[in-house]
Order: sequence, then C-alpha cells, then structure tokens
Amino acid sequence: EADIYQTPRYLVIGTGKKITLECSQTMGHDKMYWYQQDPGMELHLIHYSYGVNSTEKGDLSSESTVSRIRTEHFPLTLESARPSHTSQYLCASSEWGVETEAFFGQGTRLTVV
Amino acid sequence: AQRVTQPEKLLSVFKGAPVELKCNYSYSGSPELFWYVQYSRQRLQLLLRHISRESIKGFTADLNKGETSFHLKKPFAQEEDSAMYYCALSNRDDKIIFGKGTRLHILP
Repeated sequence: EADIYQTPRYLVIGTGKKITLECSQTMGHDKMYWYQQDPGMELHLIHYSYGVNSTEKGDLSSESTVSRIRTEHFPLTLESARPSHTSQYLCASSEWGVETEAFFGQGTRLTVV
Repeated sequence: AQRVTQPEKLLSVFKGAPVELKCNYSYSGSPELFWYVQYSRQRLQLLLRHISRESIKGFTADLNKGETSFHLKKPFAQEEDSAMYYCALSNRDDKIIFGKGTRLHILP
C-alpha cells in the first residue's frame, strides 16, 4: 500500500549523539519535506527536496542535514544532538504542482537528554 | 514575504453552533490555499483545498483575494470536529507554508 513511513516513532537520546531520522515513501512522489513541530504545535519547514540530489533549506534554520540519494528516501541527520533539538519531526511528500496535496508520516518525537 | 496567519490559537464552540476558523495570508503571487487537520493521535491530513471548491465533512472555505483570507466555516459543529486545524499556502517554489494552527474544541 502506498504510504509514507517514519522511523523511529519515539527516540530518547543523550546529548552529543549522532542521530538519523528515517523517512521513506512508496507513493512515487518527487517532492519531500521535513517539518519541525514545536510544543505549541506550530509547523516549521526545515528542509525540502524536489527530487534525487536536490535538497534545500526551509524557512526555519536547522542544524540538521538531509540527503536525497533515492527518490523514496529522505533521511534527516543531526551530527550532535542537543536538548534544543527536542521536538516532533514530520516528513511529508507530494506530487509536482502547487495545487497538490502533501501526505504526512506519523512523525518522530525526539527527546534529547 | 510569504506568511499565513491564524489569529486564534484556541477556539471553543458549542456543539451545533457555527464554526469559523480564520486564516489570512500574505503572498505576492496567485496563491494555492489549503486547510489541513490533525485529529488526536492521527497524522496531519488534507481537509480541503480552495481549487476544488468542495465541502468536506461539512466544512467549506472561500478564497477572498481582496481581504487575502481563506476562512474555514461549518454551519453546525459536531464533537468529532475537535482537532488542530492548519491553514497552508503553496507557493511557486512548491514550498508549503503553514500557519501556527488553531485548536478547535467542541463543547458538548
């Protein structure tokens, strides 16, 4: 079934650790996005991609990095986690066209202690 | 600058009463606007888009270019409408910008 998957769902990790949040979609979409959702539930775009080898920074500055080596895979990496990175991270994908719908994953709730 | 503003963080409405969630946008081009909804313990999902001009779950939204608004309305609120609602704008760069969201709480 076509879907978008995020793993892990929950992650508690110590300060200074390197982490990678996984996002995969089987929808055949070229566009993918990472959003950070803060405790007040506001959504901030931190990274997006138009396709393979395309990555762009979003409106909210983030210390994370992303890669897009395969169409279906858009992982997000933090080289050295800090408590300020504690948040919910949402991955989404969509087809081309400004009028198209974005499909969201379940999210990863990251806690850095 | 592109911006989506939802002035209400929380809106409490009695069951059966009308609902209006406000959304204003700032965008120099011709925008594509959406409403997304996040029910408790569920994924964020599309509710409706202005280009479709459809009614979903009794909700409608009209794009008013003069007032740069895209308010979400429903004539009679139901308890299952309680959720977090986000207004969103898609720009010519295909970025999707979200508002801060409004939590709708339907009172019994």
